[in-house]
Amino acid sequence: GAGVSQSPSNKVTEKGKDVELRCDPISGHTALYWYRQSLGQGLEFLIYFQGNSAPDKSGLPSDRFSAERTGGSVSTLTIQRTQQEDSAVYLCASSFTGTEQYFGPGTRLTVT
Amino acid sequence: AQKVTQAQTEISVVEKEDVTLDCVYETRDTTYYLFWYKQPPSGELVFLIRRNSFDEQNEISGRYSWNFQKSTSSFNFTITASQVVDSAVYFCALSDWRTSGSRLTFGEGTQLTVNP
Repeated sequence: GAGVSQSPSNKVTEKGKDVELRCDPISGHTALYWYRQSLGQGLEFLIYFQGNSAPDKSGLPSDRFSAERTGGSVSTLTIQRTQQEDSAVYLCASSFTGTEQYFGPGTRLTVT
Repeated sequence: AQKVTQAQTEISVVEKEDVTLDCVYETRDTTYYLFWYKQPPSGELVFLIRRNSFDEQNEISGRYSWNFQKSTSSFNFTITASQVVDSAVYFCALSDWRTSGSRLTFGEGTQLTVNP
């Protein structure tokens, strides 16, 4: 079956602009995660959605970051007023509750 | 707080050599899961294995094997008869349900290069 998909694959934006990153999880997976991978910080957790429960936002680095998951499926990660330190690969993963996470190919964000 | 340490930043071997990637973890939970992921040059993280804290049996899958030892908080990964296609960054990760839900805490990764 289809894996996790993410769009766009690459995004270049100017400092101060807003960006939206999209994630389509594996069909039927109840949990969805966003992570960020950067040279200085490694792989770090951002936010986690589980079913209809309130999301775990404890990994979001600032209030410029937000995410939503509509209809228990597609998720959008929004970064407002982007900064150069936001440059990274943003990875989305999905899973059934409590099982291994399957990752998408990521979105490479470059803030100039 | 949970932590995963992969002390080996880079390893280089010649094809057909065996290689072991080390992983040491810290958690206060008694119930947790450990994972290994592979990230080839294409960039996508590929799931390799999940173990729960109550199952210390070693596991073998083809050329891959994993040694889980709770006494030393280690979950090491061995590739037997390495191949060039094994070249990738390998990440060890921890999920401890009670304190952090099912989010993954990753180690820094080990870059494995297998030379022909």
